[in-house]
Amino acid sequence: DTEVTQTPKHLVMGMTNKKSLKCEQHMGHRAMYWYKQKAKKPPELMFVYSYEKLSINESVPSRFSPECPNSSLLNLHLHALQPEDSALYLCASRDRGYNEQFFGPGTRLTVL
Amino acid sequence: AQTVTQSQPEMSVQEAETVTLSCTYDTSESDYYLFWYKQPPSRQMILVIRQEAYKQQNATENRFSVNFQKAAKSFSLKISDSQLGDAAMYFCAYRGDYGGSQGNLIFGKGTKLSVKP
Repeated sequence: DTEVTQTPKHLVMGMTNKKSLKCEQHMGHRAMYWYKQKAKKPPELMFVYSYEKLSINESVPSRFSPECPNSSLLNLHLHALQPEDSALYLCASRDRGYNEQFFGPGTRLTVL
Repeated sequence: AQTVTQSQPEMSVQEAETVTLSCTYDTSESDYYLFWYKQPPSRQMILVIRQEAYKQQNATENRFSVNFQKAAKSFSLKISDSQLGDAAMYFCAYRGDYGGSQGNLIFGKGTKLSVKP
């Protein structure tokens, strides 16, 4: 299995809602990433988990809360988001033996 | 800090023709990795090709090849026999090989490639 899966594909939420994005990989990769991507822009790194520990937080607002319950699963909990948080959220994973990151298909988030 | 520059926001190519996308980067590191990712309208980022800086030979993957000029810090992507399915946003990306790296990628701003039938 050489893929990264993300659910849901689309999410619409109000500013007072709480929702979660899920990312899963079964390639045994020990580094996992969350990116935010606006239209026609490159992905922006949000968080990096290495061996299930948060190693990088790129000054992301606390309304985004990452979680890595195990080595295969990565969650992004969302609370009190703003309309400007609407974007494509990409998950990626990487193994120590590889140099490239493998990306999931993304979740298209719309905040009303 | 490392930077990646893609100077062509948009490019267009006729089907079956060849097109070259440009990428330059700036780094003080000697060992690093360079990638081209493709992102079609379906939005999934797909690795097209990668190049290790220590390798002098240019990487090739079927119709895709790179021209890696380490001294010039240039990493262009050539697509031969362009197909309609090649239409996408192409991102050039850099990854350093320093100790403790999380494998973080530094992306260029992207080049939108259109393929005309």
